[in-house]
Amino acid sequence: EAQVTQNPRYLITVTGKKLTVTCSQNMNHEYMSWYRQDPGLGLRQIYYSMNVEVTDKGDVPEGYKVSRKEKRNFPLILESPSPNQTSLYFCASSPQSGLVTDTQYFGPGTRLTVL
Amino acid sequence: QKEVEQNSGPLSVPEGAIASLNCTYSDRGSQSFFWYRQYSGKSPELIMSIYSNGDKEDGRFTAQLNKASQYVSLLIRDSQPSDSATYLCAVLGFQKLVFGTGTRLLVSP
Repeated sequence: EAQVTQNPRYLITVTGKKLTVTCSQNMNHEYMSWYRQDPGLGLRQIYYSMNVEVTDKGDVPEGYKVSRKEKRNFPLILESPSPNQTSLYFCASSPQSGLVTDTQYFGPGTRLTVL
Repeated sequence: QKEVEQNSGPLSVPEGAIASLNCTYSDRGSQSFFWYRQYSGKSPELIMSIYSNGDKEDGRFTAQLNKASQYVSLLIRDSQPSDSATYLCAVLGFQKLVFGTGTRLLVSP
Protein backbone atom coordinates (compact mmCIF):
# COMPACT_ATOMS: atom_id res chain seq x y z
CA GLU A 1 0.00 0.00 0.00
CA ALA A 2 1.31 3.42 -1.01
CA GLN A 3 1.68 5.50 2.09
CA VAL A 4 3.56 7.96 4.23
CA THR A 5 4.29 6.74 7.74
CA GLN A 6 5.29 8.73 10.79
CA ASN A 7 6.53 7.62 14.15
CA PRO A 8 5.73 8.12 16.90
CA ARG A 9 2.09 9.08 16.51
CA TYR A 10 1.93 10.58 19.99
CA LEU A 11 4.75 11.88 22.14
CA ILE A 12 4.91 13.66 25.45
CA THR A 13 8.34 14.92 26.40
CA VAL A 14 10.06 17.53 28.53
CA THR A 15 11.83 20.74 27.63
CA GLY A 16 15.34 20.23 26.30
CA LYS A 17 15.19 16.49 25.65
CA LYS A 18 16.24 15.85 22.06
CA LEU A 19 13.77 13.93 19.95
CA THR A 20 13.34 12.70 16.40
CA VAL A 21 10.12 12.14 14.51
CA THR A 22 10.60 9.76 11.61
CA CYS A 23 8.89 9.99 8.24
CA SER A 24 9.06 7.39 5.52
CA GLN A 25 7.34 7.05 2.15
CA ASN A 26 7.22 4.00 -0.12
CA MET A 27 6.18 5.76 -3.33
CA ASN A 28 9.65 6.74 -4.58
CA HIS A 29 8.71 10.41 -4.24
CA GLU A 30 11.33 13.10 -4.74
CA TYR A 31 9.72 15.90 -2.72
CA MET A 32 9.10 15.66 1.01
CA SER A 33 7.99 18.24 3.52
CA TRP A 34 7.20 18.80 7.18
CA TYR A 35 4.32 20.92 8.47
CA ARG A 36 3.04 21.87 11.85
CA GLN A 37 -0.60 22.61 12.48
CA ASP A 38 -1.82 24.86 15.26
CA PRO A 39 -5.33 26.14 16.01
CA GLY A 40 -6.04 29.36 14.16
CA LEU A 41 -2.72 29.24 12.29
CA GLY A 42 -3.35 26.40 9.88
CA LEU A 43 -0.65 24.28 8.29
CA ARG A 44 2.73 25.92 8.20
CA GLN A 45 5.73 24.47 6.43
CA ILE A 46 8.81 23.79 8.56
CA TYR A 47 11.28 22.34 6.05
CA TYR A 48 11.13 20.75 2.67
CA SER A 49 13.38 18.62 0.51
CA MET A 50 13.38 18.72 -3.27
CA ASN A 51 15.40 15.51 -3.49
CA VAL A 52 18.11 13.57 -1.67
CA GLU A 53 20.67 15.85 -0.01
CA VAL A 54 18.72 19.00 -0.91
CA THR A 55 16.71 20.61 1.87
CA ASP A 56 15.53 24.13 2.50
CA LYS A 57 13.71 26.13 5.15
CA GLY A 58 10.02 26.66 5.09
CA ASP A 59 8.11 29.34 6.94
CA VAL A 60 8.82 28.25 10.53
CA PRO A 61 12.20 26.44 10.66
CA GLU A 62 13.47 27.78 13.99
CA GLY A 63 14.18 25.03 16.50
CA TYR A 64 14.03 22.22 13.94
CA LYS A 65 16.50 20.27 11.84
CA VAL A 66 16.02 17.78 9.05
CA SER A 67 18.13 15.44 6.97
CA ARG A 68 17.50 13.63 3.70
CA LYS A 69 20.13 10.95 3.26
CA GLU A 70 17.80 8.51 1.53
CA LYS A 71 14.94 9.22 -0.81
CA ARG A 72 12.36 7.45 1.34
CA ASN A 73 13.18 8.99 4.74
CA PHE A 74 12.94 12.55 6.00
CA PRO A 75 13.29 12.73 9.80
CA LEU A 76 12.44 15.85 11.80
CA ILE A 77 14.80 16.58 14.68
CA LEU A 78 14.12 18.80 17.67
CA GLU A 79 17.48 19.31 19.35
CA SER A 80 16.11 21.11 22.40
CA PRO A 81 12.31 21.07 22.38
CA SER A 82 10.40 23.89 24.01
CA PRO A 83 6.72 24.18 24.98
CA ASN A 84 5.99 26.38 21.96
CA GLN A 85 6.78 23.39 19.77
CA THR A 86 3.75 21.56 21.13
CA SER A 87 1.76 20.94 17.97
CA LEU A 88 0.41 18.45 15.46
CA TYR A 89 3.06 17.58 12.90
CA PHE A 90 2.53 16.22 9.41
CA CYS A 91 4.99 14.82 6.93
CA ALA A 92 4.03 14.89 3.25
CA SER A 93 5.50 13.77 -0.05
CA SER A 94 4.99 14.46 -3.76
CA PRO A 95 6.22 12.64 -6.85
CA GLN A 96 8.25 15.21 -8.74
CA SER A 97 11.38 17.15 -8.01
CA GLY A 98 11.41 20.83 -8.85
CA LEU A 99 7.65 21.10 -8.53
CA VAL A 100 5.01 20.47 -5.97
CA THR A 101 2.44 18.43 -7.84
CA ASP A 102 -1.23 18.25 -7.13
CA THR A 103 -0.94 14.97 -5.27
CA GLN A 104 0.70 15.69 -1.99
CA TYR A 105 0.34 12.67 0.27
CA PHE A 106 0.18 13.32 3.99
CA GLY A 107 1.27 11.06 6.80
CA PRO A 108 -1.10 10.33 9.71
CA GLY A 109 0.36 13.02 11.94
CA THR A 110 2.37 13.15 15.16
CA ARG A 111 0.90 14.90 18.16
CA LEU A 112 3.75 16.30 20.22
CA THR A 113 3.44 17.77 23.69
CA VAL A 114 6.46 19.45 25.28
CA LEU A 115 6.12 20.05 29.01
CA GLN B 1 -2.39 40.34 4.42
CA LYS B 2 -2.37 36.57 4.66
CA GLU B 3 -1.35 34.73 1.52
CA VAL B 4 -4.42 32.49 1.56
CA GLU B 5 -7.55 33.52 3.42
CA GLN B 6 -10.60 31.54 4.40
CA ASN B 7 -13.52 32.21 6.70
CA SER B 8 -12.99 29.98 9.71
CA GLY B 9 -16.70 29.26 10.09
CA PRO B 10 -18.34 27.15 11.18
CA LEU B 11 -20.53 27.02 8.13
CA SER B 12 -23.70 25.18 9.03
CA VAL B 13 -25.93 23.66 6.35
CA PRO B 14 -28.76 21.13 6.51
CA GLU B 15 -28.38 17.72 4.94
CA GLY B 16 -29.08 17.82 1.21
CA ALA B 17 -28.22 21.51 0.82
CA ILE B 18 -25.36 23.05 -1.15
CA ALA B 19 -22.35 24.11 0.89
CA SER B 20 -20.26 26.94 -0.55
CA LEU B 21 -16.72 27.44 0.69
CA ASN B 22 -14.60 30.38 -0.38
CA CYS B 23 -10.91 31.24 -0.47
CA THR B 24 -8.94 34.27 -1.60
CA TYR B 25 -5.21 34.46 -2.31
CA SER B 26 -2.73 37.26 -2.63
CA ASP B 27 -0.17 36.00 -5.19
CA ARG B 28 -1.56 36.99 -8.58
CA GLY B 29 0.96 34.70 -10.29
CA SER B 30 -0.38 31.53 -8.65
CA GLN B 31 -1.33 28.82 -11.11
CA SER B 32 -2.42 25.80 -9.07
CA PHE B 33 -5.13 25.57 -6.44
CA PHE B 34 -6.28 22.74 -4.23
CA TRP B 35 -8.97 21.83 -1.76
CA TYR B 36 -8.19 19.41 1.05
CA ARG B 37 -10.61 17.91 3.53
CA GLN B 38 -9.46 17.27 7.07
CA TYR B 39 -11.43 15.40 9.69
CA SER B 40 -10.66 16.25 13.30
CA GLY B 41 -7.32 14.79 14.35
CA LYS B 42 -6.68 13.28 10.92
CA SER B 43 -4.41 14.21 8.04
CA PRO B 44 -5.53 16.36 5.12
CA GLU B 45 -6.73 14.54 2.01
CA LEU B 46 -6.91 16.06 -1.45
CA ILE B 47 -10.41 16.31 -2.87
CA MET B 48 -10.04 18.76 -5.78
CA SER B 49 -7.40 20.54 -7.80
CA ILE B 50 -8.00 23.29 -10.34
CA TYR B 51 -5.66 25.17 -12.65
CA SER B 52 -7.82 27.07 -15.16
CA ASN B 53 -10.48 29.70 -14.78
CA GLY B 54 -13.97 28.31 -14.59
CA ASP B 55 -15.54 25.27 -13.01
CA LYS B 56 -14.28 21.76 -12.46
CA GLU B 57 -16.71 19.09 -11.34
CA ASP B 58 -16.04 15.78 -9.65
CA GLY B 59 -19.08 13.98 -8.32
CA ARG B 60 -20.78 16.17 -5.71
CA PHE B 61 -17.84 18.58 -5.64
CA THR B 62 -17.30 21.58 -7.91
CA ALA B 63 -14.26 23.81 -7.71
CA GLN B 64 -14.48 27.30 -9.18
CA LEU B 65 -11.52 29.51 -10.01
CA ASN B 66 -11.43 33.20 -10.88
CA LYS B 67 -7.85 34.35 -11.28
CA ALA B 68 -8.79 37.95 -12.08
CA SER B 69 -10.55 38.25 -8.73
CA GLN B 70 -8.06 35.93 -7.01
CA TYR B 71 -10.58 33.63 -5.46
CA VAL B 72 -11.30 29.97 -5.55
CA SER B 73 -14.38 28.26 -4.20
CA LEU B 74 -15.66 24.78 -3.49
CA LEU B 75 -19.30 23.79 -3.82
CA ILE B 76 -20.57 20.60 -2.22
CA ARG B 77 -23.95 19.51 -3.54
CA ASP B 78 -26.32 17.27 -1.61
CA SER B 79 -24.29 17.77 1.56
CA GLN B 80 -24.11 14.79 3.89
CA PRO B 81 -23.31 14.63 7.61
CA SER B 82 -20.14 12.77 6.59
CA ASP B 83 -19.00 15.95 4.82
CA SER B 84 -18.65 17.64 8.21
CA ALA B 85 -14.96 18.48 8.37
CA THR B 86 -12.53 21.34 7.94
CA TYR B 87 -11.81 22.28 4.34
CA LEU B 88 -8.39 23.67 3.57
CA CYS B 89 -7.65 25.81 0.55
CA ALA B 90 -4.07 25.56 -0.72
CA VAL B 91 -2.26 27.59 -3.35
CA LEU B 92 0.96 26.55 -5.02
CA GLY B 93 3.75 29.02 -4.38
CA PHE B 94 7.44 28.73 -5.18
CA GLN B 95 8.33 25.14 -4.28
CA LYS B 96 5.63 24.87 -1.65
CA LEU B 97 1.94 24.78 -0.94
CA VAL B 98 0.53 27.64 1.10
CA PHE B 99 -2.52 26.69 3.12
CA GLY B 100 -5.38 28.73 4.43
CA THR B 101 -6.47 28.18 8.01
CA GLY B 102 -9.52 26.24 6.87
CA THR B 103 -13.29 26.52 7.03
CA ARG B 104 -15.17 24.22 9.34
CA LEU B 105 -18.29 22.77 7.75
CA LEU B 106 -21.12 21.29 9.81
CA VAL B 107 -23.85 19.36 8.03
CA SER B 108 -26.85 18.67 10.21
CA PRO B 109 -29.14 15.66 9.60
